[in-house]
Order: sequence, then structure tokens, then C-alpha cells
Amino acid sequence: KQEVTQIPAALSVPEGENLVLNCSFTDSAIYNLQWFRQDPGKGLTSLLLIQSSQREQTSGRLNASLDKSSGRSTLYIAASQPGDSATYLCAVRLRVGFGNEKLTFGTGTRLTIIP
Amino acid sequence: NAGVTQTPKFQVLKTGQSMTLQCAQDMNHNSMYWYRQDPGMGLRLIYYSASEGTTDKGEVPNGYNVSRLNKREFSLRLESAAPSQTSVYFCASSISVGALETQYFGPGTRLLVL
Repeated sequence: KQEVTQIPAALSVPEGENLVLNCSFTDSAIYNLQWFRQDPGKGLTSLLLIQSSQREQTSGRLNASLDKSSGRSTLYIAASQPGDSATYLCAVRLRVGFGNEKLTFGTGTRLTIIP
Repeated sequence: NAGVTQTPKFQVLKTGQSMTLQCAQDMNHNSMYWYRQDPGMGLRLIYYSASEGTTDKGEVPNGYNVSRLNKREFSLRLESAAPSQTSVYFCASSISVGALETQYFGPGTRLLVL
């Protein structure tokens, strides 16, 4: 059974610092991996999606990497801002058939950027 | 384009009561999903529907039923609510676009069962 772990559960950093969020998974036979952001009381917003054949994806100040062999992904946030404060979730996707996909989520890292 | 919408936003039930959580998407997606989110547990898949007319169990289906009414709507029903079903429920939808599959989430329904 696929298990996804995110450590630490919570992280506080001063504004302007660069930071790295970690995600690890137990089964490397993934289709892709996705990072989401969740604001308090809100749904999930997709940030980055990395295909199993890719090593990294970038969007603005965000960079996500994937190392399938070691079962790890990182989300790098450059020049952090107070607006980056949220819970960040990673999820791995298995393809179970045409049109079917199953996401297994980590429990998230709650990030607080201190002004 | 509203994306994925869910109703109600909040609900309080007594043990044994029934209710239906509604979800609709206007993105013409084929697949739809229901998740629950509990502290320290992450999101867990309850049921999913790969296309209109089909539904399949996810990781935690017990105590729930679903209906894929049409391509737009996917409802989740609790026939006899239990306190263990207190949670935040998220609906999602997705479409396969080559290698760029991604799921779009609704804002969630917060359910408290007393």
C-alpha cells in the first residue's frame, strides 16, 4: 500500500528566506506526483505536477523535484512571502485503468512565513 | 466558469440522520471523486467515478453511497450518520490531457455529526 509522508508537519520561517518542503513515498511505481496548496477553510489548489519521467518542474518562485528511485520529492520556495503561508500537500498518483487515477495524499506541512 | 462547486458548506447532523452532499463541475470532466479530510490523516478517497454511469469504491467507502447523476453531478449520501463521519468532505474532478492529468477541488463541506 502506498504511503506518503511529509516532514515536518509544521514549519515557520522569516520572510525572504528560501525553504524546502519534503515528501516521501513508499512505492516508486507512480504515474506522477502533484503538489497542492490549501488555505485555511478552503479547498486544494494545484501548484505543480511532475510526471514520473521528469526530474523537476518550475512555476515562478516554486520548484518541485522528483527522485523516483529514492521515493522523494521536494518543493522549493524561493524568497518566501507572508502570502505563502498555507498547508502544502503532496500526492502521488497511480494509474489503475483508463480514465481512472488514484491519488494518495500526504498529511501536509503547515507553513507560516513570519513578516 | 465556476469550476467545482459543493453544497452545503456546513452541516450539523444527529447520529442516525441522513443527508446528501452535492457536487457539480462545469469543466466537462469525465472523472469525479469524493474525499474526506481528517486531522493527521490526510485526504482519503471515499468513492470515485471514472465516467457517467460508473462508480467505484475508494479507500474508505463504508457508510457512504454515491450517485453519478450525469456528467456534471456526483453526490455523496450518508444513510445513517455516525460521529466517526465528522470530517471535511471534498469533491474533485479531472480530465486526462495526455500526461497532464490533474484534479480540481471544490471548497469542501464541513460536517459535524453529534
